[in-house]
Amino acid sequence: GEDVEQSLFLSVREGDSSVINCTYTDSSSTYLYWYKQEPGAGLQLLTYIFSNMDMKQDQRLTVLLNKKDKHLSLRIADTQTGDSAIYFCAESTIYNQGGKLIFGQGTELSVKP
Amino acid sequence: NAGVTQTPKFRVLKTGQSMTLLCAQDMNHEYMYWYRQDPGMGLRLIHYSVGEGTTAKGEVPDGYNVSRLKKQNFLLGLESAAPSQTSVYFCASTPAGQILYEQYFGPGTRLTVT
Repeated sequence: GEDVEQSLFLSVREGDSSVINCTYTDSSSTYLYWYKQEPGAGLQLLTYIFSNMDMKQDQRLTVLLNKKDKHLSLRIADTQTGDSAIYFCAESTIYNQGGKLIFGQGTELSVKP
Repeated sequence: NAGVTQTPKFRVLKTGQSMTLLCAQDMNHEYMYWYRQDPGMGLRLIHYSVGEGTTAKGEVPDGYNVSRLKKQNFLLGLESAAPSQTSVYFCASTPAGQILYEQYFGPGTRLTVT
């Protein structure tokens, strides 16, 4: 079945780069997503990558996709304290009806000054 | 444009009590979802709806019921609350007919069952 896995915690110093990793099992993914959840709030789409792409860059964010290993990563350059949040990896597949997404467990990023 | 709103924001129930959580969206989205979020388990889909009058089970539907009588509203009911249903509940919506599915989330309802 479909499964998306993430490590639960990551701690970095302000100004360093953060790399959040995700693995997934379903090879029929169409898009892979990164959602951000700030404390006390709902999730917001941060970025996404189409499944036939290897990399996508958006300002401080770089998404890398390795389809062979079913591995997705999110790199945040020059991490700031305002980046402290929970980051969720998610996928949609050609089999998912109704726009459903499969979410990972979420990685809590803690940025220390 | 309020987006997705959820009522109430917090609630404490005793075991066996019932309640209904309300989700409303003003974006004319066809698809709506109810998730629960528990530490270390991410978001798990409870029920979802692809249109007015239709609902379907998600990953963890037991103990919950839903209704979508109006396109803009999606209700989640707990008939007889149990401590295992202590969680944060999120509603989300997205338009139909997409390939890229950006789900828009409400702010959540924190439910404690004692």
